[in-house]
Amino acid sequence: DVKVTQSSRYLVKRTGEKVFLECVQDMDHENMFWYRQDPGLGLRLIYFSYDVKMKEKGDIPEGYSVSREKKERFSLILESASTNQTSMYLCASSGDRGSEQYFGPGTRLTVT
Amino acid sequence: GQNIDQPTEMTATEGAIVQINCTYQTSGFNGLFWYQQHAGEAPTFLSYNVLDGLEEKGRFSSFLSRSKGYSYLLLKELQMKDSASYLCAVRDTGGFKTIFGAGTRLFVKA
Repeated sequence: DVKVTQSSRYLVKRTGEKVFLECVQDMDHENMFWYRQDPGLGLRLIYFSYDVKMKEKGDIPEGYSVSREKKERFSLILESASTNQTSMYLCASSGDRGSEQYFGPGTRLTVT
Repeated sequence: GQNIDQPTEMTATEGAIVQINCTYQTSGFNGLFWYQQHAGEAPTFLSYNVLDGLEEKGRFSSFLSRSKGYSYLLLKELQMKDSASYLCAVRDTGGFKTIFGAGTRLFVKA
């Protein structure tokens, strides 16, 4: 059974803190993605990676960075958390370019 | 610009048929996906269309018209467990990026 896991389901951080969200997939997928999901806005792509050590900006990369040192792991970093980064963060992976994506359970991040 | 439109909410009755529409305007097109997302859970893949026409998968069917920038998801014999959000998503020409609509919340009532 395919699986994408995320390090936390719920996270509360203070403004200005550095935040790490981790994602691991066990499907040997090349492509991994980070989205945030906000009511009325749908899923918005933050960053994606199509290979180890490769990364590409999505539609809303400002305030975020990513790291992919191993094929199975893709980390999202909030350099200095702000209240407008309070959101649901979803990680996904896919095999062939453009095939369907498999999502993790999400991390609900609250920045106070 | 990139835009995907779908109704915000729909309500239907158990056992009935419901059609969820999606229109899109994107700079490139290389396929359209439908995902289902139950409250508090991750989206899961339902269907994929890249050519015009209807794709059927059990109680779920998805239709695509590329010339009209239009798709719909058809759910038959509705069950209470079909209450969820349905996300329409378009894959861009390069194949990596997928643009998601805001989703349609479907309520199935007895």
